[in-house]
Amino acid sequence: GAVVSQHPSRVICKSGTSVKIECRSLDFQATTMFWYRQFPKQSLMLMATSNEGSKATYEQGVEKDKFLINHASLTLSTLTVTSAHPEDSSFYICSARTSGGAYEQYFGPGTRLTVT
Amino acid sequence: AQSVAQPEDQVNVAEGNPLTVKCTYSVSGNPYLFWYVQYPNRGLQFLLKYITGDNLVKGSYGFEAEFNKSQTSFHLKKPSALVSDSALYFCAVRDPAGGSYIPTFGRGTSLIVHP
Repeated sequence: GAVVSQHPSRVICKSGTSVKIECRSLDFQATTMFWYRQFPKQSLMLMATSNEGSKATYEQGVEKDKFLINHASLTLSTLTVTSAHPEDSSFYICSARTSGGAYEQYFGPGTRLTVT
Repeated sequence: AQSVAQPEDQVNVAEGNPLTVKCTYSVSGNPYLFWYVQYPNRGLQFLLKYITGDNLVKGSYGFEAEFNKSQTSFHLKKPSALVSDSALYFCAVRDPAGGSYIPTFGRGTSLIVHP
């Protein structure tokens, strides 16, 4: 089956620094990638959708200057949390989908971000 | 607009008993429906989907779901629960007729299987 990896799985950073999270589709080409945020015991909150080579589409309320998303290739998308603050601490999950009839999304294992 | 509801925050079942995790949806056209499972500190794993065809869909790990158009439901079922089935389950819906290519996820149902 399709595999999506995320790196790092856990990261601890100091307030004010930036953190980059990578999401890779390992055995398929992901024309669309999604970034979600999940709070403890809560559902997924879609942050943004990105198509390869285009700018990401952010959901309402998500600061695009704070959460920078780049989808430079069909197998890689990155989320950079800039000037992180403790309230940005969360579980970030990416997912990927191919085009042309593939309906389900394939999810990465998630990245636990802790900002101190 | 598309929406999905998982009315139960938590479902408790004894090992060996059948389990049901409920999901209802609202769409303007014919839905695409999905179930995912999430284990602690992990991403979501795809279980099964309904796009068209047979209303009873079989998926991974012995799970199945039945699409019921009249009741707008897509409940997840398993004949005999295992302790290892304990996890968070998400239902998702997409409404292609509504022009959306992004699914909406339910809030999740925590399934606890007791030994």
